[in-house]
Amino acid sequence: QQQVKQSPQSLIVQKGGISIINCAYENTAFDYFPWYQQFPGKGPALLIAIRPDVSEKKEGRFTISFNKSAKQFSLHIMDSQPGDSATYFCAASTGGGNKLTFGTGTQLKVEL
Amino acid sequence: GAVVSQHPSRVICKSGTSVKIECRSLDFQATTMFWYRQFPKQSLMLMATSNEGSKATYEQGVEKDKFLINHASLTLSTLTVTSAHPEDSSFYICSARQGAGNTIYFGEGSWLTVV
Repeated sequence: QQQVKQSPQSLIVQKGGISIINCAYENTAFDYFPWYQQFPGKGPALLIAIRPDVSEKKEGRFTISFNKSAKQFSLHIMDSQPGDSATYFCAASTGGGNKLTFGTGTQLKVEL
Repeated sequence: GAVVSQHPSRVICKSGTSVKIECRSLDFQATTMFWYRQFPKQSLMLMATSNEGSKATYEQGVEKDKFLINHASLTLSTLTVTSAHPEDSSFYICSARQGAGNTIYFGEGSWLTVV
């Protein structure tokens, strides 16, 4: 199975709050899990990525939590800001930068 | 991060004509590039994987004769939509893999409208 399931489909968070987006996968051969941010009419931009040998990676306000046994990973956006309002995609790939399998996307809106 | 450039960003063409979209890696060599199609409020659908100097690998259901992909150099891949129809109107996005690693960078996308 190549699917990556992503939830929720949409999310509204108050400014300063924590945004949490979850993904689950089935293919145990996946070994690279990036998150992309996409603004309307633009291409996706790489936010942060993780390999399965670590359980957490943090870059600024963005943190990936990875649970290998549960085959789940999540993106946490701390101190969410209106400028974070965008669509977020999780993805996964196998061995050395092969093609990415994308989740269905989460539309995040951060309200004042 | 690395920069991937697409051109044109928007193009309108008439039904039956062909249109070419370019994808360039500006500051790195990309042996592998990927072409995606995205409909409004939907995820990215991989169309094909483009390897420099060899034929592209198309995903199931993608017409290789309609969506011609050429990867003639380590910094350039092109997608040509042949005999375009209105249903081909979409947002086309390329991405490029930096070196032998996992990091993949995306272009800004190209809006194609077929009238």
